[in-house]
This record gives sequence, structure tokens and C-alpha cells, in this order.
Amino acid sequence: GENVEQHPSTLSVQEGDSAVIKCTYSDSASNYFPWYKQELGKRPQLIIDIRSNVGEKKDQRIAVTLNKTAKHFSLHITETQPEDSAVYFCAAPYSGGYQKVTFGIGTKLQVIP
Amino acid sequence: GAGVSQSPRYKVAKRGQDVALRCDPISGHVSLFWYQQALGQGPEFLTYFQNEAQLDKSGLPSDRFFAERPEGSVSTLKIQRTQQEDSAVYLCASRTGSSLNTEAFFGQGTRLTVV
Repeated sequence: GENVEQHPSTLSVQEGDSAVIKCTYSDSASNYFPWYKQELGKRPQLIIDIRSNVGEKKDQRIAVTLNKTAKHFSLHITETQPEDSAVYFCAAPYSGGYQKVTFGIGTKLQVIP
Repeated sequence: GAGVSQSPRYKVAKRGQDVALRCDPISGHVSLFWYQQALGQGPEFLTYFQNEAQLDKSGLPSDRFFAERPEGSVSTLKIQRTQQEDSAVYLCASRTGSSLNTEAFFGQGTRLTVV
């Protein structure tokens, strides 16, 4: 199946600094890579996604980059704010399963005011 | 609300007790998934439905776990003879179609504690 590795597991940044979270995946047929944000006690919510036909996608302070050759993708958050503090999960689909999407272990981001 | 709804939000079960967790997906969503999220971990896939058909149940950890979606809308995840290792948050998600390339919407989850 798909193996998704995510790092770092925890990340602390000063407010206004940038945060970068990286993920690698194993299934070369994967073609859709979402990022979810989960606040404490709340549901995971999609914040950005990227498909394999592009190398970068940006939405205001959030961007995702994809390197299909190296099989890794990254989440970039610029000008971090305290409300960005949450756990972030990357995910990748497994081409061998109907709909099985494998999640990374999560990165707990703390933005220090 | 038009989101994915799960009930109950919290469930405490004595070891050996059977439990049933309910998921109301977004109306009209074809795809429905169940995930198990242990404390400090990412969601782990349990099973997938396309309408009423359970197409993938490879993630169910044992035969004590059973899921159904008889009419292609509401789904129930049943755990028989609960064990302490079953304690986790159980997340349900739905997706409008069957394509992997579309957003999955998650419910709030049911936090199951087995004592």
C-alpha cells in the first residue's frame, strides 16, 4: 500500500515567520495530494490540495509544492498567525485501493505570538 | 447544517460491550469512508462505501468491526466485544463522487473510550 511519511512531527515558529512541512509518498501512481488542518477536538478540514499535473499551487498565505520525480510534496505557510496553530496532515491516495487515502502522522504547528 | 454529522460525539463503553456509531454524510454524496484516529496519530483507513456497496474493508482491524450503509446514505460502524485498544476517535468522511481527486468532508468524529 501507500506509505506516507511526514516531518517534522512538531514545529514551533514565531508569529510572522514561515512554516514548512514535508511529506514523501511511495506509490508513484498517486496523483492527488491534499493537506488537512485539524484543530484540537475538531474535524480535519481541507486547506489546499494539488494534482500531479502541476508543480505548485498557492492560496493566499498557503502554498503546496509537488516533486513527482522525488515523490515528495510540501506545505508552506507564510506570515504565520496564532490561528494557524493546529495539527496538519498530508495525504496521498493508493492506486491499488478503490478509495484508500493514506494520511501522514501529522505535524503539530505552534505559532508563538 | 449541510455537513457530515456523526453521533454520538462521545461514547464510553465497558470492555466487552457492543457499540454502534452513526454517520450522516452530506446529502447526495456517493462515497463514504470510515477512519480510526488514535491519539496523536493521523487517521487510519477502515472502510469505503460507494453508495450502498462496501468496496473496500481492508482497513478493518478485526472481524469485531462491521460497517454498513444499506440505503446508500446513513452508515453505521459497529464494534462488537469492545477492547481497550479500540479506544480512538472514529471519523466519517464523504465525497461527492467516486473520484479520488475531490475533497473529502469529515465529520466531527465519535470519541470512543473503552474502560
